[in-house]
Amino acid sequence: DGGITQSPKYLFRKEGQNVTLSCEQNLNHDAMYWYRQDPGQGLRLIYYSQIVNDFQKGDIAEGYSVSREKKESFPLTVTSAQKNPTAFYLCASSTQGLADTYEQYFGPGTRLTVT
Amino acid sequence: KNQVEQSPQSLIILEGKNCTLQCNYTVSPFSNLRWYKQDTGRGPVSLTIMTFSENTKSNGRYTATLDADTKQSSLHITASQLSDSASYICVVNAGNNRKLIWGLGTSLAVNP
Repeated sequence: DGGITQSPKYLFRKEGQNVTLSCEQNLNHDAMYWYRQDPGQGLRLIYYSQIVNDFQKGDIAEGYSVSREKKESFPLTVTSAQKNPTAFYLCASSTQGLADTYEQYFGPGTRLTVT
Repeated sequence: KNQVEQSPQSLIILEGKNCTLQCNYTVSPFSNLRWYKQDTGRGPVSLTIMTFSENTKSNGRYTATLDADTKQSSLHITASQLSDSASYICVVNAGNNRKLIWGLGTSLAVNP
């Protein structure tokens, strides 16, 4: 998993509760990303960060929030405003920001189930 | 509309056999094409990254080809092993890592 850790692996929450997913990397990468993966769909970008204290919305940011206070950490909060939060969440990182030739390294993922 | 289509959707082969997975894309602009392997319940792992000028790239028993004119790529797996059972995802980069277009993947099962 390339030095990226996500915790927990499985997470269960009641509808209406906010929940924070952890992502830590020790690769000294500048850029970090959050994706969600649903059956029958390709990965979709939620948020990305090119550098500490900066982050941008991806394609499906509604109902999510992030912070990037440290280079190593990029936690994702799934808020109660997210209408369909049950999914497999993947964190990734890459060196040199968004430069197109730098591959992304993924964490092991967190499977969130909201009932 | 930027799209990446993969075929077949799923494939079953016997251990030791070869197989080829296909990827067709309609993505513009085109920067590079990537193949990832994703084990069930795990994060994707990069197999290859191919730029416009590269036709073939190998990574052990995995060989990827790219035809930028026809916008097609293939991933060939030689002498398959049980550990090759996974989903193989084709991803096209439309300019930078913010603009990755992900395919749905081909689910490969290698049986003994």
